Amino acid sequence: DAGVIQSPRHEVTEMGQEVTLRCKPISGHNSLFWYRQTMMRGLELLIYFNNNVPIDDSGMPEDRFSAKMPNASFSTLKIQPSEPRDSAVYFCASSPQGLGSPLHFGNGTRLTVT
Amino acid sequence: KNEVEQSPQNLTAQEGEFITINCSYSVGISALHWLQQHPGGGIVSLFMLSSGKKKHGRLIATINIQEKHSSLHITASHPRDSAVYICAVSREYGNKLVFGAGTILRVKS
Repeated sequence: DAGVIQSPRHEVTEMGQEVTLRCKPISGHNSLFWYRQTMMRGLELLIYFNNNVPIDDSGMPEDRFSAKMPNASFSTLKIQPSEPRDSAVYFCASSPQGLGSPLHFGNGTRLTVT
Repeated sequence: KNEVEQSPQNLTAQEGEFITINCSYSVGISALHWLQQHPGGGIVSLFMLSSGKKKHGRLIATINIQEKHSSLHITASHPRDSAVYICAVSREYGNKLVFGAGTILRVKS
């Protein structure tokens, strides 16, 4: 089992550029979560998918953020245009059954927007 | 007031010591999670519990639903236990995990 795979591990980009973060959940897991971690705010849920359908996107900060899950094995989080305040570590996590089962986290993508 | 409060914020221990990290919450929950985040940044789920006690190796997690309190214990601590330990709760209704601020643990040899 390869675990949750995120790419890239690190991303440095200039303000205004589009950024796409990728996640491959564990095979067979029905739920996928995108989290953001900053020093100021800790870990925050951005969006939660169940069976590829977005269930809760209330944590998505603004229209610049969008997430898709076109199939059970792939999800993207896109920021367009990026801003310096988006700099954070973005984690993807999956679970067999929502929050009723333990989460498996990817290694995260460290995003720096200059 | 945060819905999930952890204490202490920082903890330094000598190798071999028994360690306790506490978590209190103020909302109705369906489950409580203990997570470990190593200096490299990766997050590992240690426990998910909704009642009683769970044990895995040197780690023990307990929860008291009536008192809205959980503890994470580490027996015979080791420098490799140095990490940030995060408590998170699944609200009774809804899809969000609410996270505590984390406890930074450093175990010295």
